[in-house]
Amino acid sequence: SQTIHQWPATLVQPVGSPLSLECTVEGTSNPNLYWYRQAAGRGLQLLFYSVGIGQISSEVPQNLSASRPQDRQFILSSKKLLLSDSGFYLCAWSVQGANTGELFFGEGSRLTVL
Amino acid sequence: SQQGEEDPQALSIQEGENATMNCSYKTSINNLQWYRQNSGRGLVHLILIRSNEREKHSGRLRVTLDTSKKSSSLLITASRAADTASYFCATNYGGSQGNLIFGKGTKLSVKP
Repeated sequence: SQTIHQWPATLVQPVGSPLSLECTVEGTSNPNLYWYRQAAGRGLQLLFYSVGIGQISSEVPQNLSASRPQDRQFILSSKKLLLSDSGFYLCAWSVQGANTGELFFGEGSRLTVL
Repeated sequence: SQQGEEDPQALSIQEGENATMNCSYKTSINNLQWYRQNSGRGLVHLILIRSNEREKHSGRLRVTLDTSKKSSSLLITASRAADTASYFCATNYGGSQGNLIFGKGTKLSVKP
């Protein structure tokens, strides 16, 4: 069966520090991968998605970047965090080519920037 | 914005009652999905209804879709305290990535 792992679960970082959130998927090949951010009391905002290694699409301009160094690994990064980067970050995957769009989410990473 | 909008934003009911949540969207869709999120956790897919379907059931869940009104409803029958969570609708407008647009969610509280 497929599983998705996301870490760290919680993170408290000072403004201006770097960020690295990691996500890996097991039990499937060539998935679509996604990073979402969820602000308090709001819906999910799609930040990045990837259809293959090295292929990253950005949905919104921001202080963050994403990379996909391996087929089932997706990394969210920042060189210098802002206060506004605080939030709940969710990694998700979907089946490549199945355009139903059904998503399978990780457990999330709560980032607090102080 | 193509974002779906759930209604109500918050709903509080007693165990055993039914809970109904609504979702409206703005343009044509391929399908509409409902997700559940327990506090501080990731989202879990509940049910998908395609644009050519009008009703779908899964256990205690019943989803309806009215494409003429661009709206959907999620009914949870005989609710339980364990149903307490936020529920999100997500619309799929197509495209090779099948990207979903999520609403802001309905926060459901079921009191024992």
